[in-house]
Amino acid sequence: QVQLVESGGGVVQPGTSLRVSCAASGFTFNNYAMFWVRQAPGKGLEWVALISDDGSNKFYADSVKGRFTISRDNSKNTFFLQLNSLRGEDTALYYCARAAASWYGFDFCGQGTLVTVSS
Amino acid sequence: DIVMTQTPLSSHVTLGQPASISCRSSQSLVNSDGNTYLSWLHQRPGQPPRLLIYKISNRFSGVPDRFSGSGAGTDFTLKISRVEAEDVGVYYCMQASQFPWTFGQGTKVEIK
Repeated sequence: QVQLVESGGGVVQPGTSLRVSCAASGFTFNNYAMFWVRQAPGKGLEWVALISDDGSNKFYADSVKGRFTISRDNSKNTFFLQLNSLRGEDTALYYCARAAASWYGFDFCGQGTLVTVSS
Repeated sequence: DIVMTQTPLSSHVTLGQPASISCRSSQSLVNSDGNTYLSWLHQRPGQPPRLLIYKISNRFSGVPDRFSGSGAGTDFTLKISRVEAEDVGVYYCMQASQFPWTFGQGTKVEIK
């Protein structure tokens, strides 16, 4: 079955960087676009970034453009989110998710990894 | 960006009774390919979101048939025909017709 496991979250200071990862299994990873969604404590869902199946196309939310970078390693069935210049408002549970193969949108996501930005 | 607005933001429902959530988009969600990529997600407390409905009205694998979606253009509705205890949580609409993908604010469903 589809499994997505995030890792790499933690507590960091404002202005610093962090990389979160998502390990995928149970499906042919290089056939799917993948994306990140985040949820600040007690708040709703916010789409963050998406990468196409071959990594050639990347899309970002305005709130993270220029600071976050999405990437993937299809040989390792893993994709990443590099978070730079972190701010307090980036504090959130970061979910990795699979984009559906036959329609635009979400079909599965992981349990999330918590990123806390605090001095 | 497309703004998604859900109503109500909170709903208290009696077990076995119907529930309905509306979602309105700030512009048409009809994609250039002719499809409308409007999904509904459900998030139980402490859990990640899971997909219920995609492309307005298609139930995802394993979703009970008491859930149904309808609508077109900018106005969409999720209906639960008979609410069960496991249906509590927050429901989100999400559009993927145009980047950036955007979510509604969420509707919290509780049992009376």
